[in-house]
Amino acid sequence: EVKLVESGGGLVQPGGSLKLSCATSGFTFSDYYMYWVRQTPEKRLEWVAYISNGGGSTYYPDTVKGRFTISRDNAKNTLYLQMSRLKSEDTAMYYCARLQSTMIFDYWGQGTTLTVSS
Amino acid sequence: ENVLTQSPAIMAASLGQKVTMTCSASSSVSSSYLHWYQQKSGASPKPLIHRTSNLASGVPARFSGSGSGTSYSLTISSVEAEDDATYYCQQWSGYPFITFGAGTKLELK
Repeated sequence: EVKLVESGGGLVQPGGSLKLSCATSGFTFSDYYMYWVRQTPEKRLEWVAYISNGGGSTYYPDTVKGRFTISRDNAKNTLYLQMSRLKSEDTAMYYCARLQSTMIFDYWGQGTTLTVSS
Repeated sequence: ENVLTQSPAIMAASLGQKVTMTCSASSSVSSSYLHWYQQKSGASPKPLIHRTSNLASGVPARFSGSGSGTSYSLTISSVEAEDDATYYCQQWSGYPFITFGAGTKLELK
């Protein structure tokens, strides 16, 4: 059974940092491109980080570029998102998601909530 | 960025009613890369339809999808209580560019 389990969310002050983790199981993690996708309080979905299966390629939208860093440990089957210089607009539910070859996210974690507030 | 516009934002339906929601793209999308998700309250999004018209595993046959180019739609032939959810379309246009529509919230009358 494929599982993705996020952790690490919480309440952070503006300008602070936090690292999210996504532990995976039930599939060959190193075969898949992975994303972090967030859902805002208004329920909009937006991708915030992409990493290739080997970890050699990463991308970010302009909204988080230079502040967020995605990484993965294929030996530990775990995906990470290091977030720094956090802003109130980063408040969201953060999901890790597996990208299938048809470019659909076929599995999502349960999400972890980040709240940025003073 | 290829913007996806979903309409209506909210729709109300009675049990047994046929409903259709749309997803319009600002630029043409390959039908191979236009997908739909269902998200129920408190849950993660779940794949519903992939590649415009292919039902994901376990999805009832009352759901169907169609479209091409910049215009896509999701139809539920006979709404059931369990369909109370928000539906999102998503497109891919080359790594890493993925965009989602803002969603259509289906409410049961």
